Amino acid sequence: DSGVTQTPKHLITATGQRVTLRCSPRSGDLSVYWYQQSLDQGLQFLIQYYNGEERAKGNILERFSAQQFPDLHSELNLSSLELGDSALYFCASSVGTGLRQETQYFGPGTRLLVL
Amino acid sequence: GESVGLHLPTLSVQEGDNSIINCAYSNSASDYFIWYKQESGKGPQFIIDIRSNMDKRQGQRVTVLLNKTVKHLSLQIAATQPGDSAVYFCAENRGNNAGNMLTFGGGTRLMVKP
Repeated sequence: DSGVTQTPKHLITATGQRVTLRCSPRSGDLSVYWYQQSLDQGLQFLIQYYNGEERAKGNILERFSAQQFPDLHSELNLSSLELGDSALYFCASSVGTGLRQETQYFGPGTRLLVL
Repeated sequence: GESVGLHLPTLSVQEGDNSIINCAYSNSASDYFIWYKQESGKGPQFIIDIRSNMDKRQGQRVTVLLNKTVKHLSLQIAATQPGDSAVYFCAENRGNNAGNMLTFGGGTRLMVKP
């Protein structure tokens, strides 16, 4: 158990809908990361937050957004869902010392299925 | 574009044998590498990391080797056990001044035969 929690574990929804995925980082970690794992694209970085502020952005669609709250939990919002958004979504956290070489610890993921 | 990749998609070994999983990277500026293990239905689990100022790092039953000349990374698992069966990913930390991000390879599935 990495100490990172994610809810829900599974999510089934329809195209065009909007969902919110939630992540709680390890106790004390300031940085939160979101990754998408799909069969054709593998594991891809979406976005990073550090202490409430966006720190880095990867291949995140405009239909997707995220935020990190004062209690450091994070939410990933996916809107206007398409079939291709079906994937595993992982959250990771790291200490957040500001150094680049920080180990990221992953949560168990949310499996999203768009029908 | 630059990427981190794996040579072998599937590796099958006998229980008790040593396993070697390979990874190639193309970004010569990368200076931090991580190996993760992912079991079915679970998130990636940190195994071991290495910084570019090192050639070798050892953990419990695992060793990571880094060859910067040919941009190659390997994970060695000693006395492979059935519990080692999983998909293994190498990842490259391409953090910039503002943040961190991991770029993952395609993964290698390790199958341990009893």
